[in-house]
Amino acid sequence: EIVLTQSPGTLSLSPGEGPTLSCRASQSVSSSKLAWYQQKPGQAPRLLIFGASSRATGIPDRFSGSGSGTDFTLTISRLEPEDFAVYYCQQYGSTPLTFGQGTKLEIK
Amino acid sequence: EVQLVESGGNLVQFGGSLRLSCAASGFTFSTFAMSWVRQAPGKGLEWVSSISYTGAKTYYPDSVRGRFTVSRDNSKSTLYLQMNSLRAEDTAVYYCVREVYNNGLFDYWGQGTLVTVSS
Repeated sequence: EIVLTQSPGTLSLSPGEGPTLSCRASQSVSSSKLAWYQQKPGQAPRLLIFGASSRATGIPDRFSGSGSGTDFTLTISRLEPEDFAVYYCQQYGSTPLTFGQGTKLEIK
Repeated sequence: EVQLVESGGNLVQFGGSLRLSCAASGFTFSTFAMSWVRQAPGKGLEWVSSISYTGAKTYYPDSVRGRFTVSRDNSKSTLYLQMNSLRAEDTAVYYCVREVYNNGLFDYWGQGTLVTVSS
């Protein structure tokens, strides 16, 4: 089983700042099959990034993903008020499919 | 518009059974693999099961294998999750999700249905 570890657990920032979220895998993720999801309170998760760096349909270009192997990052270039949420990474290269524990972006 | 609407969540006793349903619309259901993902209260996401677009292949993590069964009726565009021998740790919101490219990547999620297992 591939264990995904996200850091930091919580990030307190102000609108306009540009956070980088980390997702580290316990073993190499096959073919960079790494996705990022955003979840707001009371809502289902939304797909942001797939294939480590491809944006899903309708996702603003301030969201970008990078990485390969065991180290992946999600960067938000300039935080908008609606970006404060919990972000999860997920690997879909092998079963069991696994998620990281999440990084919460909160308003400072 | 893709829509996934779950139903069947309820309060159930420890050791009991429950069947969840997910009605799909807005896309050709029979051509997409589908999955269930759950989220315990205040916790992260956990994959629960997947089923191929024909229903011929199913996949589970160790935590539910042998207790949960995923199935589908393509004529009704409906996904099911039969849950038996329920435990307290199965308490969660259960999301029905569509897999894009049939490879475990989740592009559409339902709003979820809450299952509470109580002793």
